[in-house]
Amino acid sequence: NAGVMQNPRHLVRRRGQEARLRCSPMKGHSHVYWYRQLPEEGLKFMVYLQKENIIDESGMPKERFSAEFPKEGPSILRIQQVVRGDSAAYFCASSPDRQGGNEQFFGPGTRLTVL
Amino acid sequence: TQLLEQSPQFLSIQEGENLTVYCNSSSVFSSLQWYRQEPGEGPVLLVTVVTGGEVKKLKRLTFQFGDARKDSSLHITAAQPGDTGLYLCAGDNYGQNFVFGPGTRLSVLP
Repeated sequence: NAGVMQNPRHLVRRRGQEARLRCSPMKGHSHVYWYRQLPEEGLKFMVYLQKENIIDESGMPKERFSAEFPKEGPSILRIQQVVRGDSAAYFCASSPDRQGGNEQFFGPGTRLTVL
Repeated sequence: TQLLEQSPQFLSIQEGENLTVYCNSSSVFSSLQWYRQEPGEGPVLLVTVVTGGEVKKLKRLTFQFGDARKDSSLHITAAQPGDTGLYLCAGDNYGQNFVFGPGTRLSVLP
């Protein structure tokens, strides 16, 4: 059973370009979470999605950031018109459902560098 | 807004020493997870505690959930260099979301 997969592992973009980060949850998991981590800091929640639904996007910046988890295919975190402050590690986690005591399992992350 | 605090923020010890790190909140969580993260990698789940007062052991690691389910501790016995990493606690907010603490950076020197 493969773990959570993220790609690319490293992404370099110039200011103003778009960044697309992909996350394939573990098999059987229908809940996906995206987090951002700056160097030497903890994880900051961004968004929680189920298939075709955004459940909680309270951690998402209001502009330039969007996320989706389509019925088929991976979850996508999209950052438009990237700026240097977007440089960070972005982690995806998945869980099987949200009934009591369920854990999240994390992917290896995508490290975004904005030049 | 729910917050989790972790202490100490940084800890550097010699191999063989014991240590305890703490995770505290003013909020009640339905469960709490501990993760270890190594540089360049994603967090790896160590344990989930669900019941107030629960104690779980994982080899040299002992995890305890507070009676009120607001706090937790992680005790490591005879630390080894392989224990080095960022230890994160995360509270499950009754299915609504997960709240992460800022982490404790542990360095175990040989």
